[in-house]
Amino acid sequence: AQSVTQLDSHVSVSEGTPVLLRCNYSSSYSPSLFWYVQHPNKGLQLLLKYTSAATLVKGINGFEAEFKKSETSFHLTKPSAHMSDAAEYFCVVNNNAGNMLTFGGGTRLMVKP
Amino acid sequence: EAGVAQSPRYKIIEKRQSVAFWCNPISGHATLYWYQQILGQGPKLLIQFQNNGVVDDSQLPKDRFSAERLKGVDSTLKIQPAKLEDSAVYLCASSLAGRSRDTQYFGPGTRLTVL
Repeated sequence: AQSVTQLDSHVSVSEGTPVLLRCNYSSSYSPSLFWYVQHPNKGLQLLLKYTSAATLVKGINGFEAEFKKSETSFHLTKPSAHMSDAAEYFCVVNNNAGNMLTFGGGTRLMVKP
Repeated sequence: EAGVAQSPRYKIIEKRQSVAFWCNPISGHATLYWYQQILGQGPKLLIQFQNNGVVDDSQLPKDRFSAERLKGVDSTLKIQPAKLEDSAVYLCASSLAGRSRDTQYFGPGTRLTVL
């Protein structure tokens, strides 16, 4: 069985300040981990993915995430928030056995001017 | 490269009516998925196809939901009859087979409102 917990349902930051969205996972397999972003009335866009290569993964739009096996975490960060980053972010695990994705509950990021 | 296409984008129906959604995956993607995303939640897998065969439909409410993927390309998801609790966004995704199959690409979704 696998599960994903996003520790914050809402995060609010000021423009230009760092972003941290937290994610913990559990999986019986060696998982692939993803972050997707969903802007209002839009589909899910892949930000980045981890697949057992480098533990620090760089994605689009300046986002990156670090895989920490000992902490079963995959937190998403960005050094400086932009207004366009305001969206819903989902942490996702794929156990690769049946190619099934399990989504976290989502974190809504708000960026204040 | 064209992304996953879905139609319609929005649909409003009354309960007990039927509705159908269409999905065209990225060209060459053998695997196709339908998800249901209820407001404020993450998407939940309804059904997964590999080419035109069903891989997993364990979460599909089969008394009212059906899906098909004829010819292994386009897919349709149908609800008949609809209930109020079916109000959600229905997302279609596709992925390659083989080593790259772990990455799914999503369409824009169909927002269904059942009154």
